[in-house]
Amino acid sequence: NAGVTQTPKFQVLKTGQSMTLQCAQDMNHNSMYWYRQDPGMGLRLIYYSASEGTTDKGEVPNGYNVSRLNKREFSLRLESAAPSQTSVYFCVTQGYSSNYGYTFGSGTRLTVV
Amino acid sequence: DAKTTQPNSMESNEEEPVHLPCNHSTISGTDYIHWYRQLPSQGPEYVIHGLTSNVNNRMASLAIAEDRKSSTLILHRATLRDAAVYYCILEGGTSYGKLTFGQGTILTVHP
Repeated sequence: NAGVTQTPKFQVLKTGQSMTLQCAQDMNHNSMYWYRQDPGMGLRLIYYSASEGTTDKGEVPNGYNVSRLNKREFSLRLESAAPSQTSVYFCVTQGYSSNYGYTFGSGTRLTVV
Repeated sequence: DAKTTQPNSMESNEEEPVHLPCNHSTISGTDYIHWYRQLPSQGPEYVIHGLTSNVNNRMASLAIAEDRKSSTLILHRATLRDAAVYYCILEGGTSYGKLTFGQGTILTVHP
C-alpha cells in the first residue's frame, strides 16, 4: 500500500520553464490537496479537489493550475516558473469525512533559478 | 479561520512523558482538533484528532478541555524518533478540508 506518491522528488527549473508535479493515491480518498511549505511561512494551501471533476482555489493559487484526472490522480502545473515558486510541495489526501486524518505525500523539492 | 497558538519549542528526556499544549480560544462547535508532526525532510504525519472527547491511539493521547478552548497532545514515553515539529490544527465548518498550519512546536528529545 503506497499511500500518496509524488513525482518527481526533486526538480530544478529555469525561470520561465513549465512543469507538472504528479500525485497519485491508492487509498480511494475523495479529497486531494496541494500545499507548499516555505521557511517561516508554514504550509499554505494552493488548490484542492473535493471530489473527482471538481477543483477550487486555496490560499495561494496564483501561478498554478491543477487537474483532477481521475479519483486517483491530482496534478499541479507551473506554466511559467518563477523564483518565488521555489518551495517544497506536498500532495495531501483525505477520506470521506472529518473522521479521517489527512495523509501527506513525501514532497517535491522544487528550485527555480 | 480559527487559529491555534503553540509554544515555539519544548524539550524532553527520553522515556519521559511529554505534554504539548495548544490554545484555540476561537474554536467553533464543528471544528475538529488535529495534530500532525513533521520530521526533518519528510511530509507531515497524522498523529491524532478529536472533536470533544479525549482520544487515544497507538501514537499518542489527545486531551481536550471541557470548553474546547485548549487541548494537549500527550506522548506517553518520548523516544528520540519523536523529535519533530508538532502542529495543532483546527479543521471544520467553512474550513472543512483546509488545514491552516501555524508554526508548530519544535520538540527536542534528549537521550
